[in-house]
Amino acid sequence: EVQLLEFGGGLVQPGGSLRLSCAASGFTFSSYAMNWVRQTPGMGLEWVSGISGSGGTTYYADSVNGRFTISRDNSKNTVYLQMNSLRAEDTAVYYCAKGKIAGYSSDWYYFDYWGQGTLITVSS
Amino acid sequence: EIVLTQSPVTLSLSPGERATLSCRASQSVSSYLAWYQQKPGQAPKLLIYDVSRRATGIPARFSGSGSGTDFTLTISSLEPEDFAVYYCQLRSNWPRIFTFGPGTKVDIK
Repeated sequence: EVQLLEFGGGLVQPGGSLRLSCAASGFTFSSYAMNWVRQTPGMGLEWVSGISGSGGTTYYADSVNGRFTISRDNSKNTVYLQMNSLRAEDTAVYYCAKGKIAGYSSDWYYFDYWGQGTLITVSS
Repeated sequence: EIVLTQSPVTLSLSPGERATLSCRASQSVSSYLAWYQQKPGQAPKLLIYDVSRRATGIPARFSGSGSGTDFTLTISSLEPEDFAVYYCQLRSNWPRIFTFGPGTKVDIK
């Protein structure tokens, strides 16, 4: 059974930093891309960042590029999101999500398993 | 950047009725579109990918169709557990970003 467990959420002041972790189990971790997706009541679902199975390629939404860094440790089956220079608009539930390959591609286009989410509140 | 719009915002139906949800892209897209279901307090769940393929364990009452800019999720006969919010999603190739629609809430009439 695939399981994704996020850790590291909480309250942080504007301008502060936080690191999220997502521990994965139930699949060959290094074979799959991993992603972070966030959700706010007003903005719906927003993809934040993704990383390839090897960790060699990373992608970011414009809204976080230059402030957030995604990484992974395949020996620990864990993906991380380092969040710096946090802003009030980064307040959201952050989900870890496993990438799913499209039917006629070797690349990931979707998210087939999600964690339970962890709440980040950026406020003074 | 491709923008996804979904309609209607809310769909009020009774169990047993057919639900038809629409997702429109701001420009023509490839066949890489997905649908997710989200219930209160839960993470989204993948229902449909590649426009029309059901994800593992998804009942046959869920089906997807469409091409170009217009896509549809159909629930043939609503079960009580189907009342939820549904999102469409795609991936752009350049830049590589993943976009979700704003969602359609299917609630009980």
